Amino acid sequence: GAVVSQHPSRVICKSGTSVKIECRSLDFQATTMFWYRQFPKQSLMLMATSNEGSKATYEQGVEKDKFLINHASLTLSTLTVTSAHPEDSSFYICSARDGRGSSYEQYFGPGTRLTVT
Amino acid sequence: SQQGEEDPQALSIQEGENATMNCSYKTSINNLQWYRQNSGRGLVHLILIRSNEREKHSGRLRVTLDTSKKSSSLLITASRAADTASYFCATLVYAPGNTPLVFGKGTRLSVIA
Repeated sequence: GAVVSQHPSRVICKSGTSVKIECRSLDFQATTMFWYRQFPKQSLMLMATSNEGSKATYEQGVEKDKFLINHASLTLSTLTVTSAHPEDSSFYICSARDGRGSSYEQYFGPGTRLTVT
Repeated sequence: SQQGEEDPQALSIQEGENATMNCSYKTSINNLQWYRQNSGRGLVHLILIRSNEREKHSGRLRVTLDTSKKSSSLLITASRAADTASYFCATLVYAPGNTPLVFGKGTRLSVIA
């Protein structure tokens, strides 16, 4: 099956620093990638949708200047949390869809746990 | 925004019992999917049911979909302690393109041995 990886799996950073999270589709070309955020004991909330080579579309309430998304290739998307604050501590999950064929499935990465101290 | 609402929010049962979780959604959909998430871990895809399907089985899982009521249910039969996890429904409004899956709030299932 399709595999999506994320790196790092865990990261601890100090308040005010920036953190980059990578999301890779390992065995398929992801024309579209999605970034979700999940706070403890809550559901996944969509942050943004990105298509390869174009600007990401952010959900209402998500600051695009704070959460920078780059989808530079068909297998890699990055999420950079800039000037992180403790309230940004969360579980970040990326997801990818293979735009070819008729598959409706989104393949999810294992998530990145960000802790901002 | 969230499309689905799961019911109940939390469920505690004894091993061997059946667990039923419900999901309601607001708009027409192309398909509905169920996922499991163990505490602090990633998502595991369980089953996908299309809007023109009414019931689907996979092992001990049974999913139903009632598009007239905009609701779905997930039944886990003969539950095991290892089934303890959070379960989420997720809907795809139209497909495929760049429309995302939208998740419900989830049901936390505890199976007591």
